[in-house]
Amino acid sequence: QVQLVQSGAEVKKPGSSVKVSCRASGGTFNSNAISWLRQVPGHGPEWMGKIIPILGISDYAQNFKGRVTFTADKATGTAYMELTSLRSDDTAVYYCARGMGLVASPYFDSWGQGTLVTVSS
Amino acid sequence: DIVLTQSPGTLSLSPGERATLSCRASQNISSNYLVWYQQKLGQAPRLLISGASSRATGIPDRFSGSGSGTDFILTISRLEPEDFAVYFCQQCGRSPITFGQGTRLEIK
Repeated sequence: QVQLVQSGAEVKKPGSSVKVSCRASGGTFNSNAISWLRQVPGHGPEWMGKIIPILGISDYAQNFKGRVTFTADKATGTAYMELTSLRSDDTAVYYCARGMGLVASPYFDSWGQGTLVTVSS
Repeated sequence: DIVLTQSPGTLSLSPGERATLSCRASQNISSNYLVWYQQKLGQAPRLLISGASSRATGIPDRFSGSGSGTDFILTISRLEPEDFAVYFCQQCGRSPITFGQGTRLEIK
């Protein structure tokens, strides 16, 4: 089973951007899509969208369109999530996860360990 | 979007007891597209059940899932100390995927 390793915690100012990485152990995502989700304490995860690394195709959830960009480096097996125009309510733990089932609406059998992003002035 | 409502919000039980957790959807979901996760403090969610009733690799058989349409159940037959955690349901039949708000299973 693939293991996903994410970059470390970030502290950002309102209005700035953050970029989180997600590296697949073994250096490849194979043909799976990688989704990005975030979670605020006491709530269920919120799906932000997904990227299919071997195709470079992304799909963004409506709530994040225009503010988030997914990219992937096939050579290193690393996916990236960049979120711009940060607000205090973007403070959350951000996860990458490997999608299973339907490509358009996956579930997740492997998750990264999570990256805490704190937005504070 | 499909809204998933989990109940109860918190369930207080003792080791050895049986736990029954509910997940209700705002629209019909094919049973193929309802999954359950367990999440412990400070950890990522862990896949327990897919297709409403199929246990993921390595999940003990005390965990079982059932249901169809709009009503789904996760049952833990005899609680072990390591089962006390938060449980989420997720629908993966229609985009955008959505999660319930979670049920916290705590030691009584």
